[in-house]
Amino acid sequence: GENVEQHPSTLSVQEGDSAVIKCTYSDSASNYFPWYKQELGKRPQLIIDIRSNVGEKKDQRIAVTLNKTAKHFSLHITETQPEDSAVYFCAALIPGTYKYIFGTGTRLKVLA
Amino acid sequence: DAGITQSPRHKVTETGTPVTLRCHQTENHRYMYWYRQDPGHGLRLIHYSYGVKDTDKGEVSDGYSVSRSKTEDFLLTLESATSSQTSVYFCAISESLESPLHFGNGTRLTVT
Repeated sequence: GENVEQHPSTLSVQEGDSAVIKCTYSDSASNYFPWYKQELGKRPQLIIDIRSNVGEKKDQRIAVTLNKTAKHFSLHITETQPEDSAVYFCAALIPGTYKYIFGTGTRLKVLA
Repeated sequence: DAGITQSPRHKVTETGTPVTLRCHQTENHRYMYWYRQDPGHGLRLIHYSYGVKDTDKGEVSDGYSVSRSKTEDFLLTLESATSSQTSVYFCAISESLESPLHFGNGTRLTVT
């Protein structure tokens, strides 16, 4: 069935360093990939998304890249800050359906 | 923030009792979703709706039913709650395909 794998499950970086989270998906026809940030005890919130007709999208310190051939997409956070500490989820829209499937999450810790 | 209200926010119930969780939106969005969140599993889709009276199953639908009689309300029912259904339940809405999900604040359900 449809599947989204996310790695790593935990990631610790020093403040100011970059963080990269990678997701792979099983259905090559998937064409919409959002990323969510969830702070402790709160709801997931969209931080960036990408569609299959572009290879990269940036929003200030956050960027997402998409490699359709390899069926993976990655979240890049540069110049990390303590407030970036949270759990990050990738997701994919299953083609031909209205279903969004999520990865299992990455807990990012930014060490001051 | 999208106008999504989940009720109740917290509930403790006993095994075998029926439970209904409510999601109410003021955005007039067509698509509504119920996810459960458990450690190590990320967000898993239970059921979703693509219009009034139009619903379908997600990844983990066993033991759950849903109803959507109005655009603004999506109800999730546990017919006979079990301890394995102890979880945090999130409702989400989406305006259209390939548009982001917006999540409610979640309902923490404990089945004793």
